[in-house]
Amino acid sequence: GESVGLHLPTLSVQEGDNSIINCAYSNSASDYFIWYKQESGKGPQFIIDIRSNMDKRQGQRVTVLLNKTVKHLSLQIAATQPGDSAVYFCAENRKEYGNKLVFGAGTILRVKS
Amino acid sequence: NAGVTQTPKFRVLKTGQSMTLLCAQDMNHEYMYWYRQDPGMGLRLIHYSVGEGTTAKGEVPDGYNVSRLKKQNFLLGLESAAPSQTSVYFCASSYISGKSSYNEQFFGPGTRLTVL
Repeated sequence: GESVGLHLPTLSVQEGDNSIINCAYSNSASDYFIWYKQESGKGPQFIIDIRSNMDKRQGQRVTVLLNKTVKHLSLQIAATQPGDSAVYFCAENRKEYGNKLVFGAGTILRVKS
Repeated sequence: NAGVTQTPKFRVLKTGQSMTLLCAQDMNHEYMYWYRQDPGMGLRLIHYSVGEGTTAKGEVPDGYNVSRLKKQNFLLGLESAAPSQTSVYFCASSYISGKSSYNEQFFGPGTRLTVL
């Protein structure tokens, strides 16, 4: 899950296994959510998004699940590869601040070969 | 397309110095944003712009100013740098959504700023 502070939660998985990264969001009025991947020394990169009128959305090797009842998002990565190692952020869209994205602190994903 | 570019990539300042970070995007996006990212934290919004000639404050605007004189450029200024402004700064841009919120933001590579 997400946490705030200096120590990010870390998920270590074996190459080829599936990964699940969790995120709790704060605002029940948020209607759009994005997962970003950030590799060391780079800017965040869009992975997948989901609108609040959906429960699930699939991309290539990734699936996002949205549970509005408990304000929870998850990102599932199938057949995790070494190139998936990065920090993953969820973000919720809020209409104030010009459709502001509010980011979680991030989860570190480490893939072991 | 280059996407979102930022200059400089790295900078070291002394306390009290000023500088301007430049962000440019070639995607014709209306919205542009400046964030800062500190260790172990997500991105925090400093200022944003919903169009040429308009700017507004985000979560952590103090100590920063911005200008959007051209649609493709968004400048972030530090008038008198402080050690607390040591951070990595990211610029992002997005297009205007339709009726519903749809705000995929495209990020630049970041500027690493150290204030001594």
